[in-house]
Amino acid sequence: EAGVAQSPRYKIIEKRQSVAFWCNPISGHATLYWYQQILGQGPKLLIQFQNNGVVDDSQLPKDRFSAERLKGVDSTLKIQPAKLEDSAVYLCASRKRTSLGETQYFGPGTRLLVL
Amino acid sequence: KNQVEQSPQSLIILEGKNCTLQCNYTVSPFSNLRWYKQDTGRGPVSLTIMTFSENTKSNGRYTATLDADTKQSSLHITASQLSDSASYICVVTSLILTGGGNKLTFGTGTQLKVEL
Repeated sequence: EAGVAQSPRYKIIEKRQSVAFWCNPISGHATLYWYQQILGQGPKLLIQFQNNGVVDDSQLPKDRFSAERLKGVDSTLKIQPAKLEDSAVYLCASRKRTSLGETQYFGPGTRLLVL
Repeated sequence: KNQVEQSPQSLIILEGKNCTLQCNYTVSPFSNLRWYKQDTGRGPVSLTIMTFSENTKSNGRYTATLDADTKQSSLHITASQLSDSASYICVVTSLILTGGGNKLTFGTGTQLKVEL
């Protein structure tokens, strides 16, 4: 089966600009996650969707970050305006169900550099 | 506060040698522990998953152990290969008692480099 797709793979922007990332989860996976992974650190959860509803966005900096999953399939993550400290890899992951044994499958990530 | 700590932070070994990576956690209530391998420029890929009652799980040359009493896990890599060079991340799942669901806590990873 096809994996989690993300685009773009790389993005370079100047601070205060806006940027959007796209994720297409594995077909049939109801749960979708966005993570931020700063160099040398483990992924940090930004937001979790169950179908098109938000389950957990407690660590999402809502003043500048937003995410949506309107039809319960693809998702976009937006940063507006970007700051230097937003430079990181943004990983999208999906999971068939939120039951405990289910594996999360990660996409390749979008590497963002804010200058 | 739920935390997952990994050691060493980085490790260099020669091809063919064995190595062991450590993971200590303070996550509660514990549900399961996974080890992920993350190649450079790629997303993490699950290697093993262990629940409370399991104390060892193998996947090829990778063997994970879990001591739920001391809240420690290790990932042992046997006969290392150049392709084992990657970041290895320990992830612990905990239950959310109020409202249900579960939460994943990620370690910062161990960066392994296998050299000739």
